[in-house]
Formats: sequence, structure tokens, C-alpha cells
Amino acid sequence: GESVGLHLPTLSVQEGDNSIINCAYSNSASDYFIWYKQESGKGPQFIIDIRSNMDKRQGQRVTVLLNKTVKHLSLQIAATQPGDSAVYFCAEIFSGTYKYIFGTGTRLKVLA
Amino acid sequence: DGGITQSPKYLFRKEGQNVTLSCEQNLNHDAMYWYRQDPGQGLRLIYYSQIVNDFQKGDIAEGYSVSREKKESFPLTVTSAQKNPTAFYLCASSIMSLAKNIQYFGAGTRLSVL
Repeated sequence: GESVGLHLPTLSVQEGDNSIINCAYSNSASDYFIWYKQESGKGPQFIIDIRSNMDKRQGQRVTVLLNKTVKHLSLQIAATQPGDSAVYFCAEIFSGTYKYIFGTGTRLKVLA
Repeated sequence: DGGITQSPKYLFRKEGQNVTLSCEQNLNHDAMYWYRQDPGQGLRLIYYSQIVNDFQKGDIAEGYSVSREKKESFPLTVTSAQKNPTAFYLCASSIMSLAKNIQYFGAGTRLSVL
């Protein structure tokens, strides 16, 4: 909901620019990662996933990069649009457990 | 429409009252999950179930209870023992696969205390 985004880091970008949202994950044994988008008052939506045997995966207008050395994940959104405004968060999964660890999220604001 | 349906969208609880949040899925997923979302925090797992008639506690199960009598349904009861229940509650479901375990979420229920 609206209050979910309170106290989150905010990234403001101009419409049409590219956005890069970062996530540091905690468990070096995590082998599967997902990015979610959460609009105000709604549940999270799956955007893109990546397995630990990959460094990069591309979707439609989105790219996820994984750096296992520093336990870092990033989501790149090309040609950011007003509809991209939302909170974005990553999830790390150790596939042997089915348990997700969620990041706190970043609020993306698209400026017209 | 395939998906996960949570109801109600908004819920108010009085002091000492138990309230039940509904979660139904028609995705034929085996696993279902309940999370709590508070401002500025990541989702925290309350309970999860990987099969009918079985469920496990998550990280913050105290003050909550669940049941899994049907594959499609995983209701969450917030009991009077939960002293700080105000939050956004999210239900999710997934297939049971070690290869690809994407959790899909419902639209959430916002619970407030009167």
C-alpha cells in the first residue's frame, strides 16, 4: 500500500531515461534471484528472474545483472515510462529450502 | 481468470478480537505462503504450506494461525495474541520445483486496529 514506500531509498529519473536499481543480497549460498515490482496498494508482480549460473538476463525493456563476487544484483529498465513508477525489490532464494529473503526495496519515481 | 484472490481488501480489528484473512488460488499450486509487510521493511514470512493438511511456521508466526484443508485455500487468522497486527498482509503461491520457484502474490489485505 501507500505506506509501504515510507523511508525507502528513492530513485528519480526523467521519462525516457534508463533506470538502474540495486540490491545487495545476504547469503552466498543463494542460487536463484527474482525482481518484483509493487505498485501502490497492490501486491508484488514478478518482473524477471536469474539463476546463479548466469551473469545477465534480458527481458522486455528490463535487464538483470548478477555479480556473485560482491553479492550484488541490479535491475536495469530501459526508456523508463510513467507506468514504471513503483517500489522494486529483489528476492534471493536458496533452492534447497524454498525460502525467500526479500530486500527492503527502492522507490522509483518517473518525472515527466 | 487465473490468480490469487485475497479478501477483504481492508479489515479492521477490535481489541481482543480474532480476524481471518482469506486467500484462494486457482493456479493449481501446491505451495502457499503468508507474509507481513511493514513500512521500510522487507516481506516477512508468517506461515507456509507445501501440501494440504500440513504447514510450517515462518519467521514471525507468533499470534497467527493458519489451516490448509484444501489445496486452493490458505486462510490466516490474526489472533488477539498478536499485539501489533496493523500491517499489509500478502498471500502468495508457487509450484514445488527446485528449478524454478516463482512466488505469485495476491493484491493484499490491509489490517488496521480500531
